Amino acid sequence: KAGVTQTPRYLIKTRGQQVTLSCSPISGHRSVSWYQQTPGQGLQFLFEYFSETQRNKGNFPGRFSGRQFSNSRSEMNVSTLELGDSALYLCASSLRDRLTEQYFGPGTRLTVT
Amino acid sequence: SQQGEEDPQALSIQEGENATMNCSYKTSINNLQWYRQNSGRGLVHLILIRSNEREKHSGRLRVTLDTSKKSSSLLITASRAADTASYFCATDALNTGTASKLTFGTGTRLQVTL
Repeated sequence: KAGVTQTPRYLIKTRGQQVTLSCSPISGHRSVSWYQQTPGQGLQFLFEYFSETQRNKGNFPGRFSGRQFSNSRSEMNVSTLELGDSALYLCASSLRDRLTEQYFGPGTRLTVT
Repeated sequence: SQQGEEDPQALSIQEGENATMNCSYKTSINNLQWYRQNSGRGLVHLILIRSNEREKHSGRLRVTLDTSKKSSSLLITASRAADTASYFCATDALNTGTASKLTFGTGTRLQVTL
């Protein structure tokens, strides 16, 4: 089975711009979660989608949003980028619910200048 | 915010030695998981231990869980240079309904030298 894929792998944006990141989960996985990783804050949960519905959301401002499509692929969007949004954004998929392990993609490295 | 604290922050050992990492967390959990991350890449799932389990093994990995102390440890036996990575514990808290939400610890950076 193919693993979790994320596109693009690297991205450079300017403050004030917006960005959309994409994640394709493992085939058959219906839950997709997003995490932000920075040297200062570590790994932080952004949100989780299951069957096109957001089930859980972390403590991030409304500039961070996401969605999931009927084929379980997910996108996250960050509007009005700030320097502090520079991070590794990781997507993870799991089979169904919280009792199973999550499989992570390679991440998208976003740099905001 | 991160729930878990890991100890030590960094660990340097020689190949063949055992490595032990500890994780403490704050709230009641459904399960605790350990992940490995190589140099800023994606995380690789290592092992999951449920709240009603006390010990679990997988190959050279041994995980213990003490819910009364809200702590867990990961032991890697007979370490290899390829084990060099950052290791994170992640907890899945109670009372999140059916949603998946992992809270990660601060990580332990393991360096295995030849």
